[in-house]
Amino acid sequence: GDSVTQTEGPVTVSESESLIINCTYSATSIAYPNLFWYVRYPGEGLQLLLKVITAGQKGSSRGFEATYNKETTSFHLQKASVQESDSAVYYCALGSSGSWQLIFGSGTQLTVMP
Amino acid sequence: GGIITQTPKFLIGQEGQKLTLKCQQNFNHDTMYWYRQDSGKGLRLIYYSITENDLQKGDLSEGYDASREKKSSFSLTVTSAQKNEMAVFLCASSIGTEQYFGPGTRLTVL
Repeated sequence: GDSVTQTEGPVTVSESESLIINCTYSATSIAYPNLFWYVRYPGEGLQLLLKVITAGQKGSSRGFEATYNKETTSFHLQKASVQESDSAVYYCALGSSGSWQLIFGSGTQLTVMP
Repeated sequence: GGIITQTPKFLIGQEGQKLTLKCQQNFNHDTMYWYRQDSGKGLRLIYYSITENDLQKGDLSEGYDASREKKSSFSLTVTSAQKNEMAVFLCASSIGTEQYFGPGTRLTVL
Protein backbone atom coordinates (compact mmCIF):
# COMPACT_ATOMS: atom_id res chain seq x y z
CA GLY A 1 0.00 0.00 0.00
CA ASP A 2 0.86 3.67 0.10
CA SER A 3 2.73 4.85 3.17
CA VAL A 4 5.22 7.33 4.58
CA THR A 5 7.95 6.61 7.13
CA GLN A 6 9.94 9.36 8.77
CA THR A 7 12.53 9.80 11.49
CA GLU A 8 11.08 8.97 14.86
CA GLY A 9 11.33 11.75 17.35
CA PRO A 10 12.01 13.49 19.47
CA VAL A 11 15.09 14.99 17.84
CA THR A 12 17.18 17.51 19.77
CA VAL A 13 19.93 19.57 18.17
CA SER A 14 21.84 22.68 19.19
CA GLU A 15 21.40 26.01 17.47
CA SER A 16 23.56 26.42 14.33
CA GLU A 17 23.95 22.65 13.90
CA SER A 18 22.85 20.94 10.72
CA LEU A 19 19.69 18.87 10.55
CA ILE A 20 18.31 16.04 8.49
CA ILE A 21 14.90 14.45 9.03
CA ASN A 22 14.51 11.34 6.94
CA CYS A 23 11.39 10.55 4.96
CA THR A 24 10.81 7.56 2.71
CA TYR A 25 7.62 6.68 0.93
CA SER A 26 5.88 3.82 -0.75
CA ALA A 27 3.55 4.79 -3.59
CA THR A 28 2.32 1.51 -5.05
CA SER A 29 -1.05 2.91 -6.19
CA ILE A 30 0.08 6.44 -7.11
CA ALA A 31 1.47 6.94 -10.58
CA TYR A 32 2.85 10.45 -10.03
CA PRO A 33 3.49 11.11 -6.33
CA ASN A 34 3.58 14.62 -4.96
CA LEU A 35 5.63 15.12 -1.81
CA PHE A 36 5.15 17.60 1.00
CA TRP A 37 6.63 18.73 4.28
CA TYR A 38 4.19 20.25 6.75
CA VAL A 39 5.14 21.89 10.04
CA ARG A 40 3.33 22.71 13.25
CA TYR A 41 4.97 25.37 15.39
CA PRO A 42 4.03 25.51 19.08
CA GLY A 43 0.57 26.99 19.50
CA GLU A 44 -0.07 27.16 15.76
CA GLY A 45 -1.91 25.09 13.17
CA LEU A 46 -0.36 22.71 10.69
CA GLN A 47 1.03 24.58 7.69
CA LEU A 48 2.75 23.72 4.46
CA LEU A 49 6.53 24.15 4.58
CA LEU A 50 7.42 23.00 1.07
CA LYS A 51 6.25 20.76 -1.71
CA VAL A 52 7.71 19.09 -4.79
CA ILE A 53 5.61 17.49 -7.48
CA THR A 54 8.31 16.45 -9.97
CA ALA A 55 10.90 13.75 -9.34
CA GLY A 56 14.45 15.09 -9.23
CA GLN A 57 13.38 18.58 -8.20
CA LYS A 58 14.21 20.33 -4.94
CA GLY A 59 11.90 22.42 -2.83
CA SER A 60 13.03 25.03 -0.34
CA SER A 61 11.52 27.32 2.25
CA ARG A 62 12.74 29.11 5.40
CA GLY A 63 16.23 27.66 4.89
CA PHE A 64 14.93 24.09 4.64
CA GLU A 65 15.42 21.96 1.54
CA ALA A 66 14.11 18.61 0.35
CA THR A 67 14.83 16.75 -2.86
CA TYR A 68 12.35 14.33 -4.39
CA ASN A 69 14.40 11.21 -5.13
CA LYS A 70 12.40 8.66 -7.09
CA GLU A 71 15.20 6.07 -7.14
CA THR A 72 15.50 5.88 -3.36
CA THR A 73 11.83 6.88 -2.77
CA SER A 74 13.01 9.52 -0.35
CA PHE A 75 12.23 13.13 0.47
CA HIS A 76 14.57 14.02 3.33
CA LEU A 77 14.29 17.44 4.96
CA GLN A 78 17.59 19.26 5.54
CA LYS A 79 18.79 22.52 6.99
CA ALA A 80 22.40 23.62 7.22
CA SER A 81 22.07 25.67 10.39
CA VAL A 82 19.00 25.43 12.60
CA GLN A 83 17.62 28.14 14.84
CA GLU A 84 15.69 27.92 18.07
CA SER A 85 12.61 29.14 16.18
CA ASP A 86 12.71 25.95 14.07
CA SER A 87 11.50 23.95 17.06
CA ALA A 88 8.30 22.32 15.84
CA VAL A 89 6.75 19.05 14.69
CA TYR A 90 7.51 18.18 11.06
CA TYR A 91 5.35 15.89 8.93
CA CYS A 92 6.23 14.33 5.62
CA ALA A 93 3.23 13.65 3.37
CA LEU A 94 2.50 11.88 0.11
CA GLY A 95 -0.19 12.88 -2.33
CA SER A 96 -1.19 12.65 -5.93
CA SER A 97 -2.49 15.12 -8.45
CA GLY A 98 -5.23 12.60 -9.22
CA SER A 99 -6.36 12.07 -5.63
CA TRP A 100 -7.72 14.20 -2.84
CA GLN A 101 -5.98 12.28 -0.10
CA LEU A 102 -2.71 13.03 1.65
CA ILE A 103 -0.90 10.25 3.48
CA PHE A 104 1.06 11.55 6.44
CA GLY A 105 4.03 10.24 8.32
CA SER A 106 3.83 10.10 12.10
CA GLY A 107 5.67 13.39 12.60
CA THR A 108 9.06 14.29 14.03
CA GLN A 109 9.27 16.53 17.08
CA LEU A 110 12.31 18.80 16.73
CA THR A 111 13.74 20.78 19.61
CA VAL A 112 16.56 23.24 18.96
CA MET A 113 18.55 24.14 22.05
CA PRO A 114 20.01 27.65 22.36
CA GLY B 1 -5.34 34.95 2.35
CA GLY B 2 -7.91 33.03 4.27
CA ILE B 3 -8.52 31.22 7.50
CA ILE B 4 -10.01 28.00 8.80
CA THR B 5 -11.91 28.18 12.07
CA GLN B 6 -12.74 25.14 14.18
CA THR B 7 -15.16 25.07 17.08
CA PRO B 8 -14.95 24.21 19.83
CA LYS B 9 -11.24 24.30 20.58
CA PHE B 10 -11.68 21.79 23.41
CA LEU B 11 -14.49 19.26 23.68
CA ILE B 12 -15.15 17.07 26.68
CA GLY B 13 -17.77 14.38 26.34
CA GLN B 14 -19.21 11.39 28.10
CA GLU B 15 -19.09 7.80 26.91
CA GLY B 16 -21.85 7.11 24.39
CA GLN B 17 -22.54 10.78 23.76
CA LYS B 18 -23.04 12.20 20.28
CA LEU B 19 -20.61 15.06 19.70
CA THR B 20 -20.40 17.56 16.84
CA LEU B 21 -17.35 19.45 15.66
CA LYS B 22 -17.61 22.39 13.27
CA CYS B 23 -15.30 23.87 10.67
CA GLN B 24 -15.56 27.05 8.61
CA GLN B 25 -13.26 28.26 5.82
CA ASN B 26 -13.18 31.53 3.91
CA PHE B 27 -10.70 30.47 1.23
CA ASN B 28 -13.61 29.61 -1.05
CA HIS B 29 -12.03 26.17 -1.55
CA ASP B 30 -14.20 23.41 -3.00
CA THR B 31 -12.66 20.50 -1.09
CA MET B 32 -12.70 20.07 2.67
CA TYR B 33 -11.38 17.33 4.94
CA TRP B 34 -11.59 15.94 8.47
CA TYR B 35 -8.56 14.21 9.95
CA ARG B 36 -7.98 12.54 13.27
CA GLN B 37 -4.61 12.65 14.99
CA ASP B 38 -3.75 10.44 17.94
CA SER B 39 -0.74 11.16 20.10
CA GLY B 40 2.52 10.28 18.35
CA LYS B 41 0.80 9.28 15.14
CA GLY B 42 0.20 10.81 11.76
CA LEU B 43 -3.05 12.26 10.51
CA ARG B 44 -5.71 9.82 9.35
CA LEU B 45 -8.49 10.84 7.00
CA ILE B 46 -12.04 10.45 8.31
CA TYR B 47 -14.17 12.16 5.64
CA TYR B 48 -13.70 14.56 2.79
CA SER B 49 -16.03 16.53 0.56
CA ILE B 50 -15.23 17.79 -2.91
CA THR B 51 -18.20 20.14 -3.12
CA GLU B 52 -21.30 21.24 -1.26
CA ASN B 53 -23.50 18.27 -0.27
CA ASP B 54 -20.82 15.76 -1.32
CA LEU B 55 -19.36 13.29 1.19
CA GLN B 56 -16.57 10.77 0.69
CA LYS B 57 -15.38 8.28 3.32
CA GLY B 58 -11.76 8.12 4.32
CA ASP B 59 -9.94 5.24 5.96
CA LEU B 60 -11.31 6.04 9.43
CA SER B 61 -14.98 6.86 8.76
CA GLU B 62 -16.53 4.20 10.99
CA GLY B 63 -18.07 5.81 14.06
CA TYR B 64 -18.39 9.22 12.39
CA ASP B 65 -20.87 11.14 10.28
CA ALA B 66 -20.20 14.30 8.31
CA SER B 67 -22.23 17.08 6.76
CA ARG B 68 -21.39 19.67 4.08
CA GLU B 69 -24.47 21.87 3.73
CA LYS B 70 -22.55 24.93 2.57
CA LYS B 71 -19.35 25.36 0.61
CA SER B 72 -17.75 27.18 3.52
CA SER B 73 -18.61 24.73 6.30
CA PHE B 74 -17.99 21.09 7.10
CA SER B 75 -19.23 19.39 10.26
CA LEU B 76 -18.13 16.12 11.82
CA THR B 77 -20.20 14.10 14.29
CA VAL B 78 -18.81 11.46 16.61
CA THR B 79 -21.82 9.15 16.73
CA SER B 80 -20.97 7.50 20.07
CA ALA B 81 -17.97 8.69 22.01
CA GLN B 82 -15.68 5.97 23.31
CA LYS B 83 -14.55 6.01 26.94
CA ASN B 84 -11.01 7.37 27.50
CA GLU B 85 -10.78 8.48 23.88
CA MET B 86 -8.38 11.36 23.35
CA ALA B 87 -7.52 12.80 19.97
CA VAL B 88 -7.14 15.99 17.99
CA PHE B 89 -9.46 16.51 15.02
CA LEU B 90 -8.12 18.65 12.22
CA CYS B 91 -10.18 20.26 9.48
CA ALA B 92 -8.57 21.24 6.20
CA SER B 93 -9.50 22.69 2.83
CA SER B 94 -7.59 22.53 -0.41
CA ILE B 95 -6.92 23.97 -3.78
CA GLY B 96 -5.23 21.37 -5.94
CA THR B 97 -3.03 19.18 -3.79
CA GLU B 98 -2.15 21.89 -1.26
CA GLN B 99 -4.12 21.59 1.96
CA TYR B 100 -4.65 24.33 4.54
CA PHE B 101 -5.40 23.30 8.11
CA GLY B 102 -7.39 24.65 11.00
CA PRO B 103 -6.06 24.81 14.57
CA GLY B 104 -7.83 21.62 15.66
CA THR B 105 -10.39 20.47 18.20
CA ARG B 106 -9.05 18.44 21.11
CA LEU B 107 -11.50 15.76 22.23
CA THR B 108 -11.44 14.09 25.62
CA VAL B 109 -14.01 11.47 26.58
CA LEU B 110 -14.50 10.79 30.27
